Amino acid sequence: AQKITQTQPGMFVQEKEAVTLDCTYDTSDPSYGLFWYKQPSSGEMIFLIYQGSYDQQNATEGRYSLNFQKARKSANLVISASQLGDSAMYFCAMRERDNFNKFYFGSGTKLNVKP
Amino acid sequence: GAVVSQHPSRVICKSGTSVKIECRSLDFQATTMFWYRQFPKQSLMLMATSNEGSKATYEQGVEKDKFLINHASLTLSTLTVTSAHPEDSSFYICSARSLSSSYNEQFFGPGTRLTVL
Repeated sequence: AQKITQTQPGMFVQEKEAVTLDCTYDTSDPSYGLFWYKQPSSGEMIFLIYQGSYDQQNATEGRYSLNFQKARKSANLVISASQLGDSAMYFCAMRERDNFNKFYFGSGTKLNVKP
Repeated sequence: GAVVSQHPSRVICKSGTSVKIECRSLDFQATTMFWYRQFPKQSLMLMATSNEGSKATYEQGVEKDKFLINHASLTLSTLTVTSAHPEDSSFYICSARSLSSSYNEQFFGPGTRLTVL
């Protein structure tokens, strides 16, 4: 089974609106971390936000928030007030405690922000 | 955040030649660096974990003799694609873990686009 699943290959959102990018994960490790990265066309991977499996509250970083639903094993990224510069690929990733060095990446979601 | 650089950013080479890609952590020491490969419109696939002063750990299916990794210092890891062939053309990205970061996240380099003719 895939560790990380991103079911939206592409998304469109109107500038200034909010958008949710879906991510579900699969692990039996009770301790894990979830990450979201942004990859613009230049190729660099930019860290956006982190959620630990034991964190009680959803993570937030500026316009980014993570909707963490542990029972559903989902970690959706919410981008509020979309900007044209948000157009990029977005990857969800997971790291498990028992394999601390290995990041499992999803297939990514291509977000296009329309003016 | 921590900065990771890669050199070169783009390389075109002839089939059969070897290509070396450098990955440097600029403002932190990285005992562990990672090498990923990304095909167009696909996700990142971990190739190997590079440990300073010891042999790299390769993922299943990655040829050790094909992709040579050296991590000679706490700030530099190199990936050498030996006897490159067109199927090795890809986007190669390195990352490094900073132990002082808040979440032990990996910081990624800007990537190297390799084209083998």
